[in-house]
Amino acid sequence: DAGVIQSPRHEVTEMGQEVTLRCKPISGHNSLFWYRQTMMRGLELLIYFNNNVPIDDSGMPEDRFSAKMPNASFSTLKIQPSEPRDSAVYFCASSLGPNSGNTIYFGEGSWLTVV
Amino acid sequence: AQSVTQLDSQVPVFEEAPVELRCNYSSSVSVYLFWYVQYPNQGLQLLLKYLSGSTLVKDINGFEAEFNKSQTSFHLRKPSVHISDTAEYFCAVSELIASKISFGSGTRLSIRP
Repeated sequence: DAGVIQSPRHEVTEMGQEVTLRCKPISGHNSLFWYRQTMMRGLELLIYFNNNVPIDDSGMPEDRFSAKMPNASFSTLKIQPSEPRDSAVYFCASSLGPNSGNTIYFGEGSWLTVV
Repeated sequence: AQSVTQLDSQVPVFEEAPVELRCNYSSSVSVYLFWYVQYPNQGLQLLLKYLSGSTLVKDINGFEAEFNKSQTSFHLRKPSVHISDTAEYFCAVSELIASKISFGSGTRLSIRP
């Protein structure tokens, strides 16, 4: 079975550029999560969706960050404009939700470097 | 709201020695509990989970964790570690009726030969 698929795996971009990270959750999963991981702050939940609807975006750092889930099989996390402090690994994860014990499955991550 | 505390940021042990990684949680309602493992340059993988039933859960590689409701703990143990267990381990908690999962800050397990 295909797991959570993220793209790109690695991206290096210049400060001020727009960055779009993409995620395809596991088929049938109805909850999707975006996390950010850095050495300084550890693993942070940015936003999560249930049935394509954003439920909690309190972890989104600022207005430069936005996330969408236009359908059940695709989500994007956009940073515009990007800044060096956005350099991190961004993980997407999905789950079947409370009915399945809330077990979430992570993608391999998108490693972002903003120079 | 739930939260997780992993008191040890790093745990160094010798190969074949036993190890315990500590995890305490806080929640006002019933919870699910998880341990995830992250190997270098990879995503997080589910290691163990407690949903209900027996408070002791085990995996095929020798890890086990015990849910202790009175102490609000879910410590991870292995009787004999191997070099390949070198990784970062994250404890996580989720309330039964909500999708959100909260992760601890992680414990880096380093194995010395």
